[in-house]
Amino acid sequence: DAKTTQPTSMDCAEGRAANLPCNHSTISGNEYVYWYRQIHSQGPQYIIHGLKNNETNEMASLIITEDRKSSTLILPHATLRDTAVYYCIVDPGSNDYKLSFGAGTTVTVRA
Amino acid sequence: DVKVTQSSRYLVKRTGEKVFLECVQDMDHENMFWYRQDPGLGLRLIYFSYDVKMKEKGDIPEGYSVSREKKERFSLILESASTNQTSMYLCASTLGGGYIQYFGAGTRLSVL
Repeated sequence: DAKTTQPTSMDCAEGRAANLPCNHSTISGNEYVYWYRQIHSQGPQYIIHGLKNNETNEMASLIITEDRKSSTLILPHATLRDTAVYYCIVDPGSNDYKLSFGAGTTVTVRA
Repeated sequence: DVKVTQSSRYLVKRTGEKVFLECVQDMDHENMFWYRQDPGLGLRLIYFSYDVKMKEKGDIPEGYSVSREKKERFSLILESASTNQTSMYLCASTLGGGYIQYFGAGTRLSVL
C-alpha cells in the first residue's frame, strides 16, 4: 500500500486559500488519491479524489503532480468552519473498502 | 445528500453491560461499516457488511458482533462491555466499491 506523508499542522487566514500538501511517492499507476476531513467531534467527511488529472468540486480542488508522487488539496477561500483534521489517503485497490487514516494535517483557520 | 444517522452521540455504560449501537442510512447503500477511532491509533475497522445478513470481520472484531437485518440498518453489539471499549464509534456506508464513504456523526462511548 502506498503510504502518505502530511505536515502535522498548518494555520490559514480566513478568506485566504489553504494549500494542503501530501506526499505519496510509492503510489502505483492505478491508485487513486482521496481526501477526507474531520471536524472536531464529528465523523469524517469525504472531500474529493483523483487519479492523475486535477479535480474540482464545490468543496475543494485537487492538484496531482505529473509524476503522481504528491498532491495538494486547495480550499479556495478558507472559513472558520474549515478548521479540521485533513487526511490524504491512497486507495490500495484491495477491494476491501477499508479506510485507514494516518495522523493527517490539523488545519486551523484564524479570523 | 446521503444521511447516515447514529442513534446516540454520547453513551455511558457499565462494565459487563450489553450495548447496542444503531446506524441507519437513507441512500440504499449496499456496504456499511463500523469503525472505532482512538487517539494515536487512527481509524480501525471492526466489521463491515456488503449485503443484508452478510458480515465480514475487520481488523478488530473481538468483543463485538453485528447485525444487518435490513439494508438500511447496521447494528454494532458489545456483548459484555469492557473499559477498553471506551472509544468513538463511527458508522459509514458506501454504494458500491471505492473509498467514498459517508460517515455518521459518531457515538462517543464511555464504559465505566
